[in-house]
Order: sequence, then structure tokens, then C-alpha cells
Amino acid sequence: GESVGLHLPTLSVQEGDNSIINCAYSNSASDYFIWYKQESGKGPQFIIDIRSNMDKRQGQRVTVLLNKTVKHLSLQIAATQPGDSAVYFCAEVNFNKFYFGSGTKLNVKP
Amino acid sequence: GAGVSQSPRYKVAKRGQDVALRCDPISGHVSLFWYQQALGQGPEFLTYFQNEAQLDKSGLPSDRFFAERPEGSVSTLKIQRTQQEDSAVYLCASSPVENANSGNTIYFGEGSWLTVV
Repeated sequence: GESVGLHLPTLSVQEGDNSIINCAYSNSASDYFIWYKQESGKGPQFIIDIRSNMDKRQGQRVTVLLNKTVKHLSLQIAATQPGDSAVYFCAEVNFNKFYFGSGTKLNVKP
Repeated sequence: GAGVSQSPRYKVAKRGQDVALRCDPISGHVSLFWYQQALGQGPEFLTYFQNEAQLDKSGLPSDRFFAERPEGSVSTLKIQRTQQEDSAVYLCASSPVENANSGNTIYFGEGSWLTVV
């Protein structure tokens, strides 16, 4: 099956700093990737996505970078806020199946 | 509400008991997905419906797991003879499109937390 993993299980940042969450994927044929945020007791919430024909995509305070050469994704959150505290998952999508990594917990310290 | 609704939110089952988890997708959504999320892990695909047709059930871990969506709307995930390893959050998601070609069209419910004791 697919393998999508994250390098850091827990990330602590100071409020106002930028956060970078990393993810590695295994299927070089994957062409669509999504970042999700999951707060405690809730389902995953879409943050941003990127297709393999792009290497960068920006949203509001978030940027996703895709490096297909090394099969690596990252999520950058600018000016991290306490409301950003959650678990973040990357997922690759193939044939309507989402293959999720194990997640990175982001702690934002006030 | 307007979101994906799952029930029960919390279920404690004795080992060997059968359980049924219900998903009410967003009205009119064609696609429906079930995922299993173990503690501290990412969700793992179980099965996928397009309307009432179950197009992919390759993620169901054993023949004790069964899912249905008889009228193309509400779906039920049934687990027979529950085992401790079945303890997890079961997430349902729905989408108005047939293909998951855009992540922002897929909406997850809050999950049903199953604990088998």
C-alpha cells in the first residue's frame, strides 16, 4: 500500500512564529496531495492541496511546498496562532483513496 | 445541521458484541467514504460508495466488517463480534462529486469513537 509518513511527531512553536510541518510520501506516481488539520474530537478539516504539476501553492497564512524529486511535502504556517494547535496530516490521493500519514501535533505556546 | 453527522459519537462494546455505526452524509452528496483512525494514527481507508454502489471495499480489515448504503444516502458500518483491536474512531466523509479530485469538496464527520472492552 501507500506509505505517507511524517518526520516530526510533535512540534512546539511560539505564538507569532512560523511553523513548518514535513511529510514524506512513497508513491512517485501520486499526483494530488492534501493537508488536513484535525482538532481534538473532530474530523479532519481541509487546509490546502497541491497537484504534482506545481511545486508551491499559497493560501491564507499557509503555503504547501512539493518536492517530487525527494517525494517530500511541507506545510508552512505563517504567524502561528493558538487556534492552529492541532494534529496535521498530509494525504496523497489515488483512485478516491486518501493515504494519510501518522500526523504531527502542533503546540502553539502563548 | 449542514455537515456530515455520525452516530453514536461514543460507543463502548463488550468483546464479541455486534455494533452498528451510522453516517448521515450531506444531503445530495454522491460519494461516501468510511475511514478507521486508531489512536495517534492517521485515518485509514475502509470503503467507498458512489450512490448506493459500494465501489471499493478493499480496506475492510476482515469479514466481520460490513458497510451498506441501500438508498444512496445514509450509510451504516457494521462490525460483528467486535475485538479489542477494533477500538478506533470511525470517520465518515461525503462529497458531491464522484471523484476525489478536489480535497475541498470532501467533508468529514466528527467520527464515532468505538471502545471494545
